Amino acid sequence: AQSVTQPDIHITVSEGASLELRCNYSYGATPYLFWYVQSPGQGLQLLLKYFSGDTLVQGIKGFEAEFKRSQSSFNLRKPSVHWSDAAEYFCAVGAWSGGGADGLTFGKGTHLIIQP
Amino acid sequence: DAGVIQSPRHEVTEMGQEVTLRCKPISGHDYLFWYRQTMMRGLELLIYFNNNVPIDDSGMPEDRFSAKMPNASFSTLKIQPSEPRDSAVYFCASSPAGAYGYTFGSGTRLTVV
Repeated sequence: AQSVTQPDIHITVSEGASLELRCNYSYGATPYLFWYVQSPGQGLQLLLKYFSGDTLVQGIKGFEAEFKRSQSSFNLRKPSVHWSDAAEYFCAVGAWSGGGADGLTFGKGTHLIIQP
Repeated sequence: DAGVIQSPRHEVTEMGQEVTLRCKPISGHDYLFWYRQTMMRGLELLIYFNNNVPIDDSGMPEDRFSAKMPNASFSTLKIQPSEPRDSAVYFCASSPAGAYGYTFGSGTRLTVV
């Protein structure tokens, strides 16, 4: 069975500082990996996704993530955070079955706090 | 594009009552997913449909939960009878075939008292 671990429940970063959110996955085949962001009272918004190819993927809002197969990791990074980045961040892993989407498995999330 | 539309946004009901949550996916999306989010368990996949057909309902917690998708533009998740432990935020998401990127609705916050 696939699983996702986000080791950090909370992370506090100063505005303007760099950010890295950790994600480790367990999956038997080549995984499809995602990062979502959730603002309070809102649904989840897709930041970026990895299917294959270049292991460094760029997303929206200045985020990027790097897939490292040897470490089973897909960490999310941003060079300089803004106060508006404060939110809950979810890593997810999925499979591709028969040409169609399969249900995603989500991590428990990391709550990002931005200090002024 | 109006996105995935869920209704109601908030629902408060008494234990034992029937609750129906509704979802309108994005037009043209072939896949529809129902998720439940709680503090303790995080986001859990309940069921998903492909072209209105249920594909995997192994996440449905028990027989009190049922989901239908009578047409491509509408799905319901029903809980009957509801219990306090069903209190959660229920999300609907849709995805086109071949693109594999969910679009989530804003969710329904269900409180069972």
